[in-house]
Amino acid sequence: QSVLTQPPSVSGAPGQRVTISCTGSSSNIGAGYDVHWYQQLPGTAPKLLIYGNSNRPSGVPDRFSGSKSGTSASLAISGLQAEDEADYYCQSYDSSLSGSVFGGGTKLTVL
Amino acid sequence: QLQLQESGPGLVKPSETLSLTCTVSGGSISSSSYYWGWIRQPPGKGLEWIGSIYYSGSTYYNPSLKSRVTISVDTSKNQFSLKLSSVTAADTAVYYCARQLLGFDPWGQGTLVTVSS
Repeated sequence: QSVLTQPPSVSGAPGQRVTISCTGSSSNIGAGYDVHWYQQLPGTAPKLLIYGNSNRPSGVPDRFSGSKSGTSASLAISGLQAEDEADYYCQSYDSSLSGSVFGGGTKLTVL
Repeated sequence: QLQLQESGPGLVKPSETLSLTCTVSGGSISSSSYYWGWIRQPPGKGLEWIGSIYYSGSTYYNPSLKSRVTISVDTSKNQFSLKLSSVTAADTAVYYCARQLLGFDPWGQGTLVTVSS
């Protein structure tokens, strides 16, 4: 069981907007630690998608956005495209574990 | 452009020690501010952070693996390494190395390590 909780799957039609939640606790997200998001396309290594809760690395489309509130964070993907079909992971730091923690991952299906 | 590449045996016997090396190119592992981490992913499952190291040798590990993990750095070779002892089938996974600052970025391509006799 992951320290950060994500829905196992989400889906949406092309052009739609979907959100993926990442729920933590007072020892990680709620303690103010940053949340980062990764996209993992089939058969490839994860790629940093959002860092520091809401910042996009160079080259990441602005269709991807991140937010954080309280003990949770969210990744939003607007204008859904077939190429967005992938697994998405959130990651933060946990003070109780004194280390990095990942969410269990969410599989995005583009209908 | 910074690149990371994992290397090591793809097959390890149960109870033995898994050893992997990550070679960093296009930048110095001694750059200040960055940690260098290992993350693994069992087949069909999610990501698990194993541990991270600073170029000075300072380390921190996942508590669930701490008793079996050693991460070291060789700045002369621009490499850092992972050793995981007393492996079982549950340690079968793709092992990734990555640079760590604000998140893990970039990642190596990963290497599959299978624990089997």
